[in-house]
Amino acid sequence: AQSVTQPDIHITVSEGASLELRCNYSYGATPYLFWYVQSPGQGLQLLLKYFSGDTLVQGIKGFEAEFKRSQSSFNLRKPSVHWSDAAEYFCAVGMKTSYDKVIFGPGTSLSVIP
Amino acid sequence: NAGVTQTPKFQVLKTGQSMTLQCAQDMNHEYMSWYRQDPGMGLRLIHYSVGAGITDQGEVPNGYNVSRSTTEDFPLRLLSAAPSQTSVYFCATERLGRIGGTQYFGPGTRLTVL
Repeated sequence: AQSVTQPDIHITVSEGASLELRCNYSYGATPYLFWYVQSPGQGLQLLLKYFSGDTLVQGIKGFEAEFKRSQSSFNLRKPSVHWSDAAEYFCAVGMKTSYDKVIFGPGTSLSVIP
Repeated sequence: NAGVTQTPKFQVLKTGQSMTLQCAQDMNHEYMSWYRQDPGMGLRLIHYSVGAGITDQGEVPNGYNVSRSTTEDFPLRLLSAAPSQTSVYFCATERLGRIGGTQYFGPGTRLTVL
């Protein structure tokens, strides 16, 4: 069965520092992959997604993610973090054969030190 | 264009009480779903619908009922609330026909069952 792991429960970075959030998945075929962000008290917002093609995906708010098939990873990166990036980040994996089979990871909470 | 709306935002129930969580969308999306979010577990799919009159179970359907009489609305019913149903509930929608499409989330309903 497919699964998603986010090894870091909580990460703290200083404003202006670079950020990398890790995501690993388990799935027998090529998945489609998402990163969502959830600000406190809010719903989830899509940051970016990978479906096919270029393995480096650009998203909103200056985020990017790289799909590495050999490592079953889809890590999220940002070169310079802003205080407003403090939020919960969720990686998700979907099966191409079924729109409803989207599995979410447990989330990584990001704190930003001014 | 309100997107996805959920009511109420907060609710406290006693064990055994019933209630309905409302979800409405104005994007004419065929697909609607309900997730619950629990600490350290990400989002888990409860029920989903691909159109009016069509519903199906997700990963954790026990204790919940749904119906879809219109494209716009997808209520979630708890017939006899239990403390294990204390959670944050999110409704999401998606336009069908595009594998790997984007889900749009509502702001959530925080439910506490005493």
